[in-house]
Amino acid sequence: GAVVSQHPSWVICKSGTSVKIECRSLDFQATTMFWYRQFPKQSLMLMATSNEGSKATYEQGVEKDKFLINHASLTLSTLTVTSAHPEDSSFYICSASHHLAGQETQYFGPGTRLLVL
Amino acid sequence: AQKITQTQPGMFVQEKEAVTLDCTYDTSDQSYGLFWYKQPSSGEMIFLIYQGSYDEQNATEGRYSLNFQKARKSANLVISASQLGDSAMYFCAMSAASGSARQLTFGSGTQLTVLP
Repeated sequence: GAVVSQHPSWVICKSGTSVKIECRSLDFQATTMFWYRQFPKQSLMLMATSNEGSKATYEQGVEKDKFLINHASLTLSTLTVTSAHPEDSSFYICSASHHLAGQETQYFGPGTRLLVL
Repeated sequence: AQKITQTQPGMFVQEKEAVTLDCTYDTSDQSYGLFWYKQPSSGEMIFLIYQGSYDEQNATEGRYSLNFQKARKSANLVISASQLGDSAMYFCAMSAASGSARQLTFGSGTQLTVLP
């Protein structure tokens, strides 16, 4: 149980284009999902908290107009990188919050590697 | 503010032996949660084990156990009987409240290599 999928796993795009990444909880409903960014050999940095049916909460320094987050259903959150530039190239990974036996845990998707040319 | 410190950038262990990955944390809160995740080279983050700040017993999950020393603010991960498949990056993380996984703060990670 508690499986999270992410699509696409790899994306290469030209500078200036927009890229949409999907995060789905496959066997549970997630009112809260999280989006992280990870540079090579570094730790995860939380970008935003995605809440179903409401606006996302962005971390300090993350441009909300550049990284659009939509959490339209209890199983799907999307991250759109608008007008992508080479500096946006990174590993983006989402997680979904799941409660089990009174304990909340974040379960992660497999991640999306974005390369902007 | 919460902070997680993992002082071992890399660790080596012989197959079938036990290994301890260190994690210390800093918080002024009484309620918090501690998590360990494994990240293989494929990139996915795999949840391993959880310890709440109010839990008196150390958490265990199969070959994983968490050595929780609250006074020392440490939450070391112990992997028993290491396997080649255990080679990965391991991250320690802390949440803002016990029972919660919100606002996870991650450490810098430890790269574990299991030698045959």
